[in-house]
Amino acid sequence: DTGVSQDPRHKITKRGQNVTFRCDPISEHNRLYWYRQTLGQGPEFLTYFQNEAQLEKSRLLSDRFSAERPKGSFSTLEIQRTEQGDSAMYLCASSLRSNTGELFFGEGSRLTVL
Amino acid sequence: GQQLNQSPQSMFIQEGEDVSMNCTSSSIFNTWLWYKQDPGEGPVLLIALYKAGELTSNGRLTAQFGITRKDSFLNISASIPSDVGIYFCAGQGIQGAQKLVFGQGTRLTINP
Repeated sequence: DTGVSQDPRHKITKRGQNVTFRCDPISEHNRLYWYRQTLGQGPEFLTYFQNEAQLEKSRLLSDRFSAERPKGSFSTLEIQRTEQGDSAMYLCASSLRSNTGELFFGEGSRLTVL
Repeated sequence: GQQLNQSPQSMFIQEGEDVSMNCTSSSIFNTWLWYKQDPGEGPVLLIALYKAGELTSNGRLTAQFGITRKDSFLNISASIPSDVGIYFCAGQGIQGAQKLVFGQGTRLTINP
């Protein structure tokens, strides 16, 4: 399978714990995005990378959230001191062409904070 | 901030019927897109629109980019069971901005 892959698919954690999600984009795509989706809503933009550079961040990305893409390939999204409000689906997407909105999404990582 | 209002929120139709849904915004977008999401999956791109007034088809799907750049619609003709899912409109704003703004989705249910 050469699509966007995310790991883990599901994560249940206790409030206050740290969690990390990984995204492997389509190999030739140099643009990578993180979105968050809560139940009954559309995805909300979190952050965007072009190669290893993080070029855009949403105000939703509080200081407890950090994303990296160290070698311009896979990316990680870490949430520190999780809160119940962090429970959501975290979607990763990649694209090849800029400014088109044509994103290829992974299946998502669902986080449940107890 | 930018918001997209999608309607209807849900639709219950018979197999074979045509479907129409739309999306409006108070802001201008340079690109409108329609995605479909199945349960437990990420959204999949259906149609992308890049010019005001543009009408684009993809099989049984037809979408239009409103002339004011503040709205778009999606039509599905002769619905089939695999059309079931949640349809999202998305807009991309100013030139160079990478983020997409998504609507809240239209859930389509089809009775066979």
